[in-house]
Amino acid sequence: GENVEQHPSTLSVQEGDSAVIKCTYSDSASNYFPWYKQELGKRPQLIIDIRSNVGEKKDQRIAVTLNKTAKHFSLHITETQPEDSAVYFCAANRGGYQKVTFGTGTKLQVIP
Amino acid sequence: GAVVSQHPSWVICKSGTSVKIECRSLDFQATTMFWYRQFPKQSLMLMATSNEGSKATYEQGVEKDKFLINHASLTLSTLTVTSAHPEDSSFYICSAALAGLGELFFGEGSRLTVL
Repeated sequence: GENVEQHPSTLSVQEGDSAVIKCTYSDSASNYFPWYKQELGKRPQLIIDIRSNVGEKKDQRIAVTLNKTAKHFSLHITETQPEDSAVYFCAANRGGYQKVTFGTGTKLQVIP
Repeated sequence: GAVVSQHPSWVICKSGTSVKIECRSLDFQATTMFWYRQFPKQSLMLMATSNEGSKATYEQGVEKDKFLINHASLTLSTLTVTSAHPEDSSFYICSAALAGLGELFFGEGSRLTVL
């Protein structure tokens, strides 16, 4: 089955700096890679996703890159703000109704 | 976006009792729903895949007789924790995939505490 590894487990940045979270996956058939943000006690919220037919996607301060050859993808948050503080999960699946496998999570702390 | 609602949001029960958690897709039909379990400060672990009109598919290590899943309609899946014990205390979250695109929408989650 799919195995998703995520690094780092914790990340502290100063407000305004950039944050980068990296993930690797094992299943070469995976073609959908979402990123979720989870605040304490809340449900995960999709913040951005990327499909295997593109290498990069950007949405305002958030961007995701994908390297299918190396089987890794990364989340980039620029100009971080305190409200970006949360746990971020990467995930991967084969699309459709296939199950989604989550990474171990990264706790991001943005220091004002 | 698609809305998934989960109920109850929190429940406290005595050891040995059973607890039912409901997951509803409010504005779309979900032939497939997923049940996750999340321990404090940990990731989401898939417990089972719930398929409308058929038996659920359980992940390795998940006791199907303990965690009963029923997906009787296109908008409702239920998870019943039978004979609950303190070690079953956790945050349970359901999700549904929209239109086969892979994107998951999550319910609010249910925090179970077994005394």
